[in-house]
Amino acid sequence: DAKTTQPPSMDCAEGRAANLPCNHSTISGNEYVYWYRQIHSQGPQYIIHGLKNNETNEMASLIITEDRKSSTLILPHATLRDTAVYYCIVRGTGGFKTIFGAGTRLFVKA
Amino acid sequence: NAGVTQTPKFQVLKTGQSMTLQCAQDMNHEYMSWYRQDPGMGLRLIHYSVGAGITDQGEVPNGYNVSRSTTEDFPLRLLSAAPSQTSVYFCASGSWDRGGSGNTIYFGEGSWLTVV
Repeated sequence: DAKTTQPPSMDCAEGRAANLPCNHSTISGNEYVYWYRQIHSQGPQYIIHGLKNNETNEMASLIITEDRKSSTLILPHATLRDTAVYYCIVRGTGGFKTIFGAGTRLFVKA
Repeated sequence: NAGVTQTPKFQVLKTGQSMTLQCAQDMNHEYMSWYRQDPGMGLRLIHYSVGAGITDQGEVPNGYNVSRSTTEDFPLRLLSAAPSQTSVYFCASGSWDRGGSGNTIYFGEGSWLTVV
């Protein structure tokens, strides 16, 4: 599975959009981009995933560049409860084995 | 729908003791896995399984055994506990999304283990 690169930490003001970048320049054609988050001491929570089209659900939007080498997770109106570590993972359709990197620690401030 | 259930939630062990962390899922998921997370650190994959009777090693398998005799259960056994195994352990399960559009993994709430 392709390796991902994320900034170690980011800040966001409450009520503003949080844009979390992820670089996955070695992604291959059948690999999906997944986003999870882990709120302090809890089990990671699935947010969203996509292949090449932009995706949106009730939690977030996922924007994948046309060359698929990077993506951005967007939390449209961040709240204090969105403070968490966000993990970007690239995984093929052939399996479930999931390796987590260090992720981005998002601090939402009042 | 209980999802992924882990027991016990908290456990204190003495060095050298053995124990089993239980994980059960009621979603008929093919995939199950165990992670550990040390304080302030990321998640590391211990073992995983893609179906009953099939298991494989992850990033940090030493000191742990697993088996998958049923689809629902995936216990993690610590053979001889060491202080270095003090950690939070997370179980996860997953299945293919409808239409084959990727797959999603769901996590349990964690089991806090302290080895003294």
